[in-house]
Amino acid sequence: DVQLVESGGALVQPGGSLRLSCFASGFMFSTYAMHWVRQAPGKGLEYVSAISSNGASIYYGNSVKDRFTISRDNSKNTLYLQMGGLRADDTALYYCARSFGYNYWFDSWGQGTLVTVSS
Amino acid sequence: QSALTQPASVSGSPGQSITISCTGTSSDVGGYNSVSWYQQHPGKAPKLMIYDVSNRPSGVSNRFSGSKSGNTASLTISGLQAEDEADYYCSSYTSSSTLYVFGTGTKVTVL
Repeated sequence: DVQLVESGGALVQPGGSLRLSCFASGFMFSTYAMHWVRQAPGKGLEYVSAISSNGASIYYGNSVKDRFTISRDNSKNTLYLQMGGLRADDTALYYCARSFGYNYWFDSWGQGTLVTVSS
Repeated sequence: QSALTQPASVSGSPGQSITISCTGTSSDVGGYNSVSWYQQHPGKAPKLMIYDVSNRPSGVSNRFSGSKSGNTASLTISGLQAEDEADYYCSSYTSSSTLYVFGTGTKVTVL
């Protein structure tokens, strides 16, 4: 079965940094594009970032550009999100999700990891 | 890149049909057949219901259908059931640098 398991969420102070991880299993990780999507408490989904299967192409949402960095290690079946300059409005449940090739949809999602930015 | 516009809430009685709209621009919904829809129950991860405007993944009930006209995509749920009560989000590929955009979300209530 396809599994995506996020980790690394925590309470962090404004201006701080955090690295999220997403461990993938049950499929050939290196052939899928991977994504981060977040959801603030009681709010809707917001696209955060994408990385192609080989890491060559990367995209960011406008609200996280220049502060967050997405990366992946295909040898470890793991996706990362390095978050810096954290603000209160970055508080959210962060999901990882996958898509295949030029399919512009997310066919599997993790359960999310909670990031809380507060002093 | 602004979020796609969805109605905040839609309701219907069991057995009825409801339609949720998702309005964007020619840079996203109107320009590409890459609209997808997700169902999210409280405390759960989103689940893919429709991809590429009108295609259903394996395992998704045929009571769910999608369509598009111009800059507006739609999700129709026919034969509404209690288990359909959830939040629904559309998403589209966008030609902007962000690549994807989500809708504002719609809460479906089964009366």
